[in-house]
Amino acid sequence: RKEVEQDPGPFNVPEGATVAFNCTYSNSASQSFFWYRQDCRKEPKLLMSVYSSGNEDGRFTAQLNRASQYISLLIRDSKLSDSATYLCVVNRPSGGYNKLIFGAGTRLAVHP
Amino acid sequence: DADVTQTPRNRITKTGKRIMLECSQTKGHDRMYWYRQDPGLGLQLIYYSFDVKDINKGEISDGYSVSRQAQAKFSLSLESAIPNQTALYFCATSETGTANQETQYFGPGTRLLVL
Repeated sequence: RKEVEQDPGPFNVPEGATVAFNCTYSNSASQSFFWYRQDCRKEPKLLMSVYSSGNEDGRFTAQLNRASQYISLLIRDSKLSDSATYLCVVNRPSGGYNKLIFGAGTRLAVHP
Repeated sequence: DADVTQTPRNRITKTGKRIMLECSQTKGHDRMYWYRQDPGLGLQLIYYSFDVKDINKGEISDGYSVSRQAQAKFSLSLESAIPNQTALYFCATSETGTANQETQYFGPGTRLLVL
């Protein structure tokens, strides 16, 4: 079983749609959670951190369920520019260093 | 100018050749990382360095070596390239801070093809 699992998609949605991505992680000791965005043939960039109480940044909402070891990302009012791959990232505590474990990503395609 | 740069951006080489991928950063960060990305897989950590005198193996270090020449420079070498090292390679940096919320900043990547 992968340490971080995501539905690879692709999710094909029209502009204006609401879309949700899910991610599960296996290491119950993980304490830090992130969503990164990766455009085609580009580097990953931090989209948002995920906090225990859930957090929102404009059209993006991230939620964490520690009991189920589950993270979600909700995108409202999708734009063409949201088309990208979304990477779920979880830390793995290891000695004094928190290694980041990356999911394989969920691809989103927003069409007119 | 980009904060994290990688050279070359694309490279084609032959099996058995030694190659070096270079990474430079102007962010002033102490921590630097090398990852590889393969289709359908998450980024996998090859090596990481917390400062010039600190080098650590990641999950997939076999066949690779690194050198931290300065705080701003971290290079990755493939001593004898093999076809299954064909991948997209990313360098990343982070600032030592609140351990649970470190953000990593990635370079633009190097596409490597080993024939």
